[in-house]
Amino acid sequence: DAGITQSPRYKITETGRQVTLMCHQTWSHSYMFWYRQDLGHGLRLIYYSAAADITDKGEVPDGYVVSRSKTENFPLTLESATRSQTSVYFCASRPRGGRQFFGPGTRLTVL
Amino acid sequence: AQTVTQSQPEMSVQEAETVTLSCTYDTSESDYYLFWYKQPPSRQMILVIRQEAYKQQNATENRFSVNFQKAAKSFSLKISDSQLGDAAMYFCAYRSASAIPLQGGSEKLVFGKGTKLTVNP
Repeated sequence: DAGITQSPRYKITETGRQVTLMCHQTWSHSYMFWYRQDLGHGLRLIYYSAAADITDKGEVPDGYVVSRSKTENFPLTLESATRSQTSVYFCASRPRGGRQFFGPGTRLTVL
Repeated sequence: AQTVTQSQPEMSVQEAETVTLSCTYDTSESDYYLFWYKQPPSRQMILVIRQEAYKQQNATENRFSVNFQKAAKSFSLKISDSQLGDAAMYFCAYRSASAIPLQGGSEKLVFGKGTKLTVNP
């Protein structure tokens, strides 16, 4: 089905481990985004990408790495997970000047 | 940088009544978009309504309407004839419409912290 998907939907990991959250969209949208959602903070932008091979930091990028070798994929990597990175992560995409669509979210727990 | 403020962490309304959720924002830009998103317990982010800053007419989508006051930088959401299914977190969001980033503006969505709406039967 067309749309934006995230995997895994739930993940439990331990402090210090590397974790990669996947995001895939089928529309060939130019823009892709990663947000984290925490109680009392709303959604905060981690990284975004305006096109393949173009990425930029958002509001809370520390501890995260992104890449975008293909237009449809935008993986988010936690190089060494910390408890403060326990959160719900949302991927989103949109065409230039168009409406933004969100993935279903990934709930990550770091023990 | 743009900021979005939702001053009501929680609101409640009786079924079939009307409720207004508040949102203010800060920007030096003249051309931008404002949005209200709904997030039910399923966590899915659902676009409720969108307003272009250059349009004076307030946007309306069925039972949802906004009161956009550009000079006051206010963007409130009115839900009429509230239904149990309207219970959710509601987020106000801002996005620059400028093709060229201006004073930190960009094509990113900036969100408020949200308002939790409870609908009582």
